[in-house]
Amino acid sequence: KNQVEQSPQSLIILEGKNCTLQCNYTVSPFSNLRWYKQDTGRGPVSLTIMTFSENTKSNGRYTATLDADTKQSSLHITASQLSDSASYICVVSEERGNKLTFGTGTQLKVEL
Amino acid sequence: GAGVSQSPRYKVAKRGQDVALRCDPISGHVSLFWYQQALGQGPEFLTYFQNEAQLDKSGLPSDRFFAERPEGSVSTLKIQRTQQEDSAVYLCASSPTGIVEQYFGPGTRLTVT
Repeated sequence: KNQVEQSPQSLIILEGKNCTLQCNYTVSPFSNLRWYKQDTGRGPVSLTIMTFSENTKSNGRYTATLDADTKQSSLHITASQLSDSASYICVVSEERGNKLTFGTGTQLKVEL
Repeated sequence: GAGVSQSPRYKVAKRGQDVALRCDPISGHVSLFWYQQALGQGPEFLTYFQNEAQLDKSGLPSDRFFAERPEGSVSTLKIQRTQQEDSAVYLCASSPTGIVEQYFGPGTRLTVT
């Protein structure tokens, strides 16, 4: 069964600090990897999408990396803000079709 | 512009009742997806439409779950004879043809008592 595993499960950091979230996947054949931000009570919102040929992509303070050989990805958040508090979900798409496999997410809390 | 909308936002049903959850995708989006998200978990795929055609329903957990999109726009997810394990947030997403991005609605939180 295709799987997406994320770590840590939860994380608390102080405002202004940086953090890195990890994602490992076994989805094959692989099409693309996405990071979503999900605020409480809302649907996920896309942060980045990377194909197997891309190894880094940035969106403001968010930078995602991808190593398709080791099937690992990371999401780095710089200069965190209180509004970054949310669940960050790693999502992998299979090569054919539109089916997405979601990780369980990392719950990030940014505190003063 | 208007995003994906879902209704109701919250639904409480007694075990054994039937429920219908509605999704209004972004206008013109060909693809529509339904996901089930249990508390503390990531969403899990239920079913996928391209226009009015249901191309993949492999994620529907039982024959009590039924989805339709008769005119290729609004979609309804119906759950018959609800059970406690059906309690979850049901997310709908839509995307234009040939585009990877999926846009999610806010979800419907279903609680079965």
